[in-house]
Amino acid sequence: QVQLQESGPGLVKPSQTLSLTCTVSGGSISSGGYYWSWIRQHPGKGLEWIGYIYYSGSTYYNPSLKSRVTISVDTSKNQFSLKLSSVTAADTAVYYCARARYFDLWGRGTLVTVSS
Amino acid sequence: EIVMTQSPATLSVSPGERATLSCRASQSVSSNLAWYQQKPGQAPRLLIYGASTRATGIPARFSGSGSGTEFTLTISSLQSEDFAVYYCQQYNNWPPDTFGQGTKLEIK
Repeated sequence: QVQLQESGPGLVKPSQTLSLTCTVSGGSISSGGYYWSWIRQHPGKGLEWIGYIYYSGSTYYNPSLKSRVTISVDTSKNQFSLKLSSVTAADTAVYYCARARYFDLWGRGTLVTVSS
Repeated sequence: EIVMTQSPATLSVSPGERATLSCRASQSVSSNLAWYQQKPGQAPRLLIYGASTRATGIPARFSGSGSGTEFTLTISSLQSEDFAVYYCQQYNNWPPDTFGQGTKLEIK
């Protein structure tokens, strides 16, 4: 079955760029019909949608983060990635990758802490 | 941006009883509404999509209803494993997709 797994640094310094990758296994990211998404959850808080990418490369971002977010896809590696620039402590959260449009499959999530 | 409002924030129910959770959208989202369950330390799990369709493997005691701006998730007979936080999400008017703030279902 299709599985998603996030990977990347757990600690990022303020003002730097947060970079995460989601590896999709058990199915092809290029099969179509799905959007591939990043969602985050601040400690003890609710869920915040960050953005989507389609296998073709089309992207859709949350307007509240759009100026700092880039989502990209590498179909040859069956991966998609998140970059969030100019991070602050407010970006400390668990970051999930998920398959969309309703999120039927999720990665386990990875905690990213922004701290010097 | 569509604002999703869930009520109540916390719901205390005894095992075996029925739980009714509500989700209201600030404008119509048609039936493009999903419900998720999240347990501590875990990723959310999809329960319902299309407002009323159970996701694969979800027990029949979970049911969703509503359309437009008013939605309900009902758990007919609570089991111990159902005590968790529940979120609704609209995927009709996007970007952005938006989530409700969550309802914590706790044991009474």
